[in-house]
Amino acid sequence: DQQVKQNSPSLSVQEGRISILNCDYTNSMFDYFLWYKKYPAEGPTFLISISSIKDKNEDGRFTVFLNKSAKHLSLHIVPSQPGDSAVYFCAASGDTGNQFYFGTGTSLTVIP
Amino acid sequence: DAGVTQSPTHLIKTRGQHVTLRCSPISGHKSVSWYQQVLGQGPQFIFQYYEKEERGRGNFPDRFSARQFPNYSSELNVNALLLGDSALYLCASSWMKPGGPDTQYFGPGTRLTVL
Repeated sequence: DQQVKQNSPSLSVQEGRISILNCDYTNSMFDYFLWYKKYPAEGPTFLISISSIKDKNEDGRFTVFLNKSAKHLSLHIVPSQPGDSAVYFCAASGDTGNQFYFGTGTSLTVIP
Repeated sequence: DAGVTQSPTHLIKTRGQHVTLRCSPISGHKSVSWYQQVLGQGPQFIFQYYEKEERGRGNFPDRFSARQFPNYSSELNVNALLLGDSALYLCASSWMKPGGPDTQYFGPGTRLTVL
């Protein structure tokens, strides 16, 4: 039972434009969310997090938006760069913090 | 600063064998979690350890076990290997702040192939 879903397996964006990656979750107990970026043959690299007490968090070119009523979060990358090409995972955790549930990932390609 | 380290990088085993994977957390982190990632899927939680105690267990058979040592490093053991155990095994460390989740930082993983 997939509690975190990334329904777009892939996304292509022109360099300089905005990339929007989406993530949906089903468990209303989730209250902490992370985005990771993964290159082939490497472990996931942490990008940005958001707690359920916020609806937006920014870090440089990366912004995460959380819509709790819709159980939806999104990652915006502006401007997109070729080096952003990777697989992006969203992950969610409940109040115990002991277990993160991951989506299946979205492969982003930024075209120069 | 050194990140999370894992060894070995790659491993090839045959069905029925046993494997031990190792992980050293980021300095100062007291919690280690293990995840399995099969091709085309996101990481799936196996275990979390904090201060040498198991704090969480995912939906994996008893063939999977782990432990954490006084220096906070950890081992994941898998017995009676099956072909389906072929995957990338990821270790993540975190500080484990009291009362809530915190960010997990991943190592490069160990690629296990079972023949």
